[in-house]
Amino acid sequence: DAGVIQSPRHEVTEMGQEVTLRCKPISGHNSLFWYRQTMMRGLELLIYFNNNVPIDDSGMPEDRFSAKMPNASFSTLKIQPSEPRDSAVYFCATWRGTDTQYFGPGTRLTVL
Amino acid sequence: GESVGLHLPTLSVQEGDNSIINCAYSNSASDYFIWYKQESGKGPQFIIDIRSNMDKRQGQRVTVLLNKTVKHLSLQIAATQPGDSAVYFCAENIRGGADGLTFGKGTHLIIQP
Repeated sequence: DAGVIQSPRHEVTEMGQEVTLRCKPISGHNSLFWYRQTMMRGLELLIYFNNNVPIDDSGMPEDRFSAKMPNASFSTLKIQPSEPRDSAVYFCATWRGTDTQYFGPGTRLTVL
Repeated sequence: GESVGLHLPTLSVQEGDNSIINCAYSNSASDYFIWYKQESGKGPQFIIDIRSNMDKRQGQRVTVLLNKTVKHLSLQIAATQPGDSAVYFCAENIRGGADGLTFGKGTHLIIQP
C-alpha cells in the first residue's frame, strides 16, 4: 500500500491566489482528516469526513477555507483567497475504524 | 479548552541510553492515546498507542505508560539509536480514534553520538 498520498508536496503562491491541496486516502479507510501544523500552534484539526460526509469542520479557521470529499478516493482542501498567515504544513490523515490515524507526507504551503 | 501538553521541549540523550518523554493531558474523557514520531520534512509516524483500560503497553524498544490518576503519559525508548532523533508528539482522542486527535506541542529528541 502506498499510504496516504498528498499533492503537491510544496506550494508557493502569492497572497490573494486560490490554493488547492489534494489527498488520496489509504484504500479501505473510511475516515479522512485534514490537519494544519505551524510552529506557533502545533498540529490542529481542521475538518474530518466519515464515509465522504463532513462530520466536524469547527477547526476550519475562516470561510476562506473549504474542504470536499467527492468520493472515497479523493479529498481537497481549498483556500480562497490565500493570506500569508495561511503558510503552514497541511497534513491529511486517514483511519479505517481500528487502531490509529495514518498521516500523509504533508503539503508545505508558503503564501507570499 | 482542554488540550494535551508536553513538559520538555528538547531532550538530549547519549546513543545507547534510554530516554523518557513525558506528556500531560487534561481531558479526563480521553480514552485513547498515541505517540507519533515526526522526522524533518515528513508526516507524523505512528509509534505506539494505548487505551484507557491499560496502564502499560510495550512495543519493540518502546514502552508507553499511562497514569490516569495524574493524567500523565510517557514514552520510553530503550537503547536509543541515531535514527530515533525526531520530534515526538503525544495525542489523545475521546472516541478511540474516530474523531480528530488533539496533539501536544512536541518534544525534540536529540541523540548524541
